[in-house]
Amino acid sequence: QVQLVESGGGLVKPGGSLRLSCAASGFTFSDYYMSWIRQAPGKGLEWLSYISSSGTSIRYSDSVKGRFTISRDNAKRSLFLQMNSLRAEDTAIYYCARGADELPTDYWGQGTLVTVSS
Amino acid sequence: DIQMTQSPSSLSASLGDRVTITCQASQDITNYLDWHQQKPGKAPKLLIYDASTLQTGVPSRFSGSGSGTQFTLTISNLQPEDIGTYYCQQYDNLPLTFGGGTKVELK
Repeated sequence: QVQLVESGGGLVKPGGSLRLSCAASGFTFSDYYMSWIRQAPGKGLEWLSYISSSGTSIRYSDSVKGRFTISRDNAKRSLFLQMNSLRAEDTAIYYCARGADELPTDYWGQGTLVTVSS
Repeated sequence: DIQMTQSPSSLSASLGDRVTITCQASQDITNYLDWHQQKPGKAPKLLIYDASTLQTGVPSRFSGSGSGTQFTLTISNLQPEDIGTYYCQQYDNLPLTFGGGTKVELK
């Protein structure tokens, strides 16, 4: 069955960096677009970024453009999110998910919590 | 950006009730709409895609309808395991956007 398992979350100071990972299994990872989506505590869902199956097409939301970088390693069936210049408002659970524009978000990971605080 | 407006923001219903949640898009998204269920402390789970197609394994008491700008999620015969928050999401245009959520509680 499809599984997406995030890791790398934790407590970081404002201005700091963190790299999230998502390990995929149960499907041909290299065939699918992948996204990162976050949810601030007690709030709704916010899409952040997607990367195409080959990695050649990448898009970001305005809220993270220039600070976050999405990447993937198809050989290792892994998705990544490099987060720099972190702010308190980046505090959230970060989910990796399968899907993008014109593609349904059909599977989600369990999420990893990122807390930005001094 | 496409705004997704869900209503109501919360509802209370009895077991066996028929529950209806609506989602309005700020522009035509054809049928590029998902419905996700999120139980407390858990990740969202896809229920319906392409506005009306049931994801594999989802009970048939869930159904979706609509196209263009107006969409509906219906839960017929509400069950205890259906308690949670429901989100619509458009995937017609970037940025992908979500409705604000509808919290479903038992009366």
